[in-house]
Amino acid sequence: AQKITQTQPGMFVQEKEAVTLDCTYDTSDPSYGLFWYKQPSSGEMIFLIYQGSYDQQNATEGRYSLNFQKARKSANLVISASQLGDSAMYFCAMREGNNYGQNFVFGPGTRLSVLP
Amino acid sequence: EAQVTQNPRYLITVTGKKLTVTCSQNMNHEYMSWYRQDPGLGLRQIYYSMNVEVTDKGDVPEGYKVSRKEKRNFPLILESPSPNQTSLYFCASSLFGRTNEQFFGPGTRLTVL
Repeated sequence: AQKITQTQPGMFVQEKEAVTLDCTYDTSDPSYGLFWYKQPSSGEMIFLIYQGSYDQQNATEGRYSLNFQKARKSANLVISASQLGDSAMYFCAMREGNNYGQNFVFGPGTRLSVLP
Repeated sequence: EAQVTQNPRYLITVTGKKLTVTCSQNMNHEYMSWYRQDPGLGLRQIYYSMNVEVTDKGDVPEGYKVSRKEKRNFPLILESPSPNQTSLYFCASSLFGRTNEQFFGPGTRLTVL
């Protein structure tokens, strides 16, 4: 079964608008971490934001925020004030595995295109 | 500069010709991992290593081997490559623990003819 689901293969957003990229996950481990990575067309993987399963508040990093709804097992990425440079693939990932975090799984990704 | 390096960045080879993709990190990370990226499938874990001489299979280990003789290096070996191993490969490293993000190498694009 898929542990990470990203239901939007592609998204379009107008420059300066906000956009939400969906991510749902499946785990029976009470301790886990959720991550978002960006992959621009150049191919490198860039870490954006992290949310821990025990964190009470939603994570924020600059224009990125994570809408974490633990009961629904969702961890949506919100990008505010989109820029042309935000056009990229975005991957949601989960790390679980007791204290070592040995299991790290990715979703299939969402391709975001920012329109001028 | 803290980084994960991979070599080569691009490789075209033929079926059955053994190859090795090297991976090295300078951050003293215990955990290292290999992924392959295919369109529509995201990144799938091939093997990971928790420490020197400690390795374990990920989700798609068939056709690959790894070794971890030194903490900084984690080479990926394809003993007899096949066309279905044509993919983009990433090496990554991190500290232990569910709170730690992985740092990725630049990727190796492999084509097996």
